[in-house]
Amino acid sequence: AQTVTQSQPEMSVQEAETVTLSCTYDTSESDYYLFWYKQPPSRQMILVIRQEAYKQQNATENRFSVNFQKAAKSFSLKISDSQLGDAAMYFCAYRSIGNQFYFGTGTSLTVIP
Amino acid sequence: DVKVTQSSRYLVKRTGEKVFLECVQDMDHENMFWYRQDPGLGLRLIYFSYDVKMKEKGDIPEGYSVSREKKERFSLILESASTNQTSMYLCASRSGQAYNEQFFGPGTRLTVL
Repeated sequence: AQTVTQSQPEMSVQEAETVTLSCTYDTSESDYYLFWYKQPPSRQMILVIRQEAYKQQNATENRFSVNFQKAAKSFSLKISDSQLGDAAMYFCAYRSIGNQFYFGTGTSLTVIP
Repeated sequence: DVKVTQSSRYLVKRTGEKVFLECVQDMDHENMFWYRQDPGLGLRLIYFSYDVKMKEKGDIPEGYSVSREKKERFSLILESASTNQTSMYLCASRSGQAYNEQFFGPGTRLTVL
């Protein structure tokens, strides 16, 4: 089974600053999808951004962007101009060709006003 | 918008009780999933279903069963609840398109006494 590792259980960032959340994964597959999900306190998990492994270009969604390094099996999330509403648990996820999703253990992000 | 609903936000049961957790999605998604979320462990897949009456075991199926009699509804059953099944349970659905993410329900926090 694939494994997804988030090595930062907790992170903090000053409002308006930039923060990067790390994610690495282990796989023998050549084609797959990677996702970052956000789970605000007591609220539903929502998609932040996705990346297809066969695309070399890094995905961006407004203030959110990824640094996808396929050879290194690394998929970090960069949040620019951090806002109070960005405070949440962030999960990195890997989708295999077998339709299963594998999630990391999460990074709790605190935004300091 | 895709909507995934779960029958209860909070549930308290006694050891040995049979517990039903219901999940309904309104977007005609083929695939549905049940996860449990525990601090420090992230999301772990219990079961998933890719069609009516079809089911596949995930990483931690022991002590659980599922039922999918209709496309929009996916039920998780704890045949005889135990205290180690106290957890947050998340349901998710997604379409069959490879690119698509999972959409999550709000979660059910189950406490087994």
